[in-house]
Amino acid sequence: SQQGEEDPQALSIQEGENATMNCSYKTSINNLQWYRQNSGRGLVHLILIRSNEREKHSGRLRVTLDTSKKSSSLLITASRAADTASYFCATIPVMDMGRRALTFGSGTRLQVQP
Amino acid sequence: ETGVTQSPTHLIKTRGQQVTLRCSSQSGHNTVSWYQQALGQGPQFIFQYYREEENGRGNFPPRFSGLQFPNYSSELNVNALELDDSALYLCASSFRDRAGNEQFFGPGTRLTVL
Repeated sequence: SQQGEEDPQALSIQEGENATMNCSYKTSINNLQWYRQNSGRGLVHLILIRSNEREKHSGRLRVTLDTSKKSSSLLITASRAADTASYFCATIPVMDMGRRALTFGSGTRLQVQP
Repeated sequence: ETGVTQSPTHLIKTRGQQVTLRCSSQSGHNTVSWYQQALGQGPQFIFQYYREEENGRGNFPPRFSGLQFPNYSSELNVNALELDDSALYLCASSFRDRAGNEQFFGPGTRLTVL
């Protein structure tokens, strides 16, 4: 079963606009990660935010985490056509820390129009 | 590129057959995790290998089995293939003893069961 759910499922924007994706999860976590996937290929790690952090930046990416609401958001600023991909949030529930298996949401498919 | 390689890239099998997928982990990593990703879904954890032993398993039947070798490469074996086994199979390597949980994914093997 999926631990998290991304919202929206699909997002289409123009180049230069900002893209915001949201993720909700169900159980207490140690950290939350965002991954990107191009055209059904391998996933690329984007950013990790720990449960004691509220916001983190990496280049054009900004991630927030609200553990009280069990939710996270990923903001991509000044989007480019090359940002077109699927974006997944992934967590490791605290109860699963021993095996460190990532539990993924269902993803947001982002389309950036040139 | 993450340094994680998988073979083959694509594979077509018929129902009831057996398949072996291979993964070479990134240099220095001692843990390999396998995930199944159905079309339009997020990856689902199959199992993880650490120091050649299974270290956790998701909700997959015993006909999904694996191996990890002394060089930390890994195999995923699936017996008695079913149509629903058609998916992208991803392996991810990581260094278990490091505090972070970032996993590095290979490009995947696309399995089609007819």
